[in-house]
Amino acid sequence: DTAVSQTPKYLVTQMGNDKSIKCEQNLGHDTMYWYKQDSKKFLKIMFSYNNKELIINETVPNRFSPKSPDKAHLNLHINSLELGDSAVYFCASIGQGASEQYFGPGTRLTVT
Amino acid sequence: QKEVEQDPGPLSVPEGAIVSLNCTYSNSAFQYFMWYRQYSRKGPELLMYTYSSGNKEDGRFTAQVDKSSKYISLFIRDSQPSDSATYLCAMSEGAGGTSYGKLTFGQGTILTVHP
Repeated sequence: DTAVSQTPKYLVTQMGNDKSIKCEQNLGHDTMYWYKQDSKKFLKIMFSYNNKELIINETVPNRFSPKSPDKAHLNLHINSLELGDSAVYFCASIGQGASEQYFGPGTRLTVT
Repeated sequence: QKEVEQDPGPLSVPEGAIVSLNCTYSNSAFQYFMWYRQYSRKGPELLMYTYSSGNKEDGRFTAQVDKSSKYISLFIRDSQPSDSATYLCAMSEGAGGTSYGKLTFGQGTILTVHP
């Protein structure tokens, strides 16, 4: 029973392509996040949704567009992929007022 | 200057050693302090959580927060090879589920415990 799942696990694509990453959590949490972890392991928040509403939108190129069809799902669409987008993307979720964010296994994106 | 600074290491210690990991931060509004452990090719998992200043102990792990110095630490006693991982400090201004619950991470310290 995976709490936070992401698909795909690996994604290799060429510059200029458009791709999507999906995330689902079965914990009943209201809040979900997208993080980007670069090659130096630095983990940085990108977006957060609370009950399908965008509450955090960091300085991210507008080629990145999150979508939350319901509170259990958060997807990330990336247009016109660039080499610098290569990273591991993590989805996470947290319950209201809770302390622990639960992370998914990550999606390793490689742009060639 | 990053909001949270953490020495990336790498840190290599023999089994049984005491490990000390540290982070400093600049945002005085941070109230919640966490340590996450990340094994290779896995997502981070919460190891320790502290609200405001003070110490917290859980088995071989002790977390310390000194808000006056803007400094947090994680100590691992009797380190084991299974402790080999990347340790990330993280902080937030508020609890989860709000915009204040946004986590700001340190760069992570790579720890190897060799038998």
